[in-house]
Amino acid sequence: EDQVTQSPEALRLQEGESSSLNCSYTVSGLRGLFWYRQDPGKGPEFLFTLYSAGEEKEKERLKATLTKKESFLHITAPKPEDSATYLCAVNSGTYKYIFGTGTRLKVLA
Amino acid sequence: DAGVTQSPTHLIKTRGQQVTLRCSPKSGHDTVSWYQQALGQGPQFIFQYYEEEERQRGNFPDRFSGHQFPNYSSELNVNALLLGDSALYLCASSLDLAPGYNEQFFGPGTRLTVL
Repeated sequence: EDQVTQSPEALRLQEGESSSLNCSYTVSGLRGLFWYRQDPGKGPEFLFTLYSAGEEKEKERLKATLTKKESFLHITAPKPEDSATYLCAVNSGTYKYIFGTGTRLKVLA
Repeated sequence: DAGVTQSPTHLIKTRGQQVTLRCSPKSGHDTVSWYQQALGQGPQFIFQYYEEEERQRGNFPDRFSGHQFPNYSSELNVNALLLGDSALYLCASSLDLAPGYNEQFFGPGTRLTVL
């Protein structure tokens, strides 16, 4: 069965302290891996899609990478406004997307 | 460019009642998926609608049903509400390209509380 595990569950960083979030997946034939940002009580906001191992995408302070078993979301010099829950989802060629439980990021000023 | 909209924002019901949630997809999108997100968890796939038909369903009972209209908007209906149905219900829309590759965009969600 397709599965997604995100770590750590929660992360506290000082402003400017770079770090990485991990998304490990087990799927039978990955088609796409998707990263979202979710603020409390709101819907997830689309960030990136990765399709093949070795692919990288960047947006402002965020950079997403993909290997055959996991994806990383690197956050460079984070700011307090980057505080949110970051969700990872995978799809193996069906219409069903499997989400992880997310990493709650708190960036302190 | 209008994004995904959902109504209502919040809803309070009692056990055994029925509820209908509504979703309008992002302009240009033709596919709608519904998710249930419990507190502290990731979204769980309920079902997806395309061309007014349910084409895939997650592990949810038949109490959960839906509909898609010709203008691509959608409804989620939940019958015989249970306390455990309390959650944030999310609608996501996409343009149907190929299974697994479609980027989904989410609405703000409807917070359902069952008392």
